[in-house]
Amino acid sequence: NAGVTQTPKFQVLKTGQSMTLQCAQDMNHNSMYWYRQDPGMGLRLIYYSASEGTTDKGEVPNGYNVSRLNKREFSLRLESAAPSQTSVYFCASSEARAGYYGYTFGSGTRLTVV
Amino acid sequence: EDKVVQSPLSLVVHEGDTVTLNCSYEVTNFRSLLWYKQEKKAPTFLFMLTSSGIEKKSGRLSSILDKKELFSILNITATQTGDSAVYLCATSGTYKYIFGTGTRLKVLA
Repeated sequence: NAGVTQTPKFQVLKTGQSMTLQCAQDMNHNSMYWYRQDPGMGLRLIYYSASEGTTDKGEVPNGYNVSRLNKREFSLRLESAAPSQTSVYFCASSEARAGYYGYTFGSGTRLTVV
Repeated sequence: EDKVVQSPLSLVVHEGDTVTLNCSYEVTNFRSLLWYKQEKKAPTFLFMLTSSGIEKKSGRLSSILDKKELFSILNITATQTGDSAVYLCATSGTYKYIFGTGTRLKVLA
């Protein structure tokens, strides 16, 4: 009964380093999402994948790339980390397109860029 | 531009009080509105609302949607310290949900 699994849970990067946040869901959901959460800003959408094989930009895509590796996995890559990317990152999935089904969230990745 | 506005931003009450949290929205292609509770970690699902005027209830929590006036409220009766959390509202645009900044509720013993 894992739901949505994110790794790692915590990460500290130096400015300019790269890393990939991993997300996997075992609920056979079609749609997957990456959000970042900052104090006073709420949850902001970075990228989403409405279905396997498609990805689209959200509100704040700059500095990020994504890969929908298969139906289960959706990764988020920071090519050259910046302090402004310090945040808590949440992956979410839904059975199908948003609106008809709610999200299930992963437990989050707390990323600090120094 | 799609947006969700929650009020108040924060609230402090005593155990046993009743609270009402507000969510107003502007979104194209509205399909549903969600309420989530967020404590230390990931948001947990509370309600999905799609139709006006139909109250959803779960224990001491209830919520209702007004699609004409574009808002929803979340009520919590007989609050407990375990209700302390950030409550998030989200509405659906096409393929994705837009979140408000949340209401931080603190319940004092």
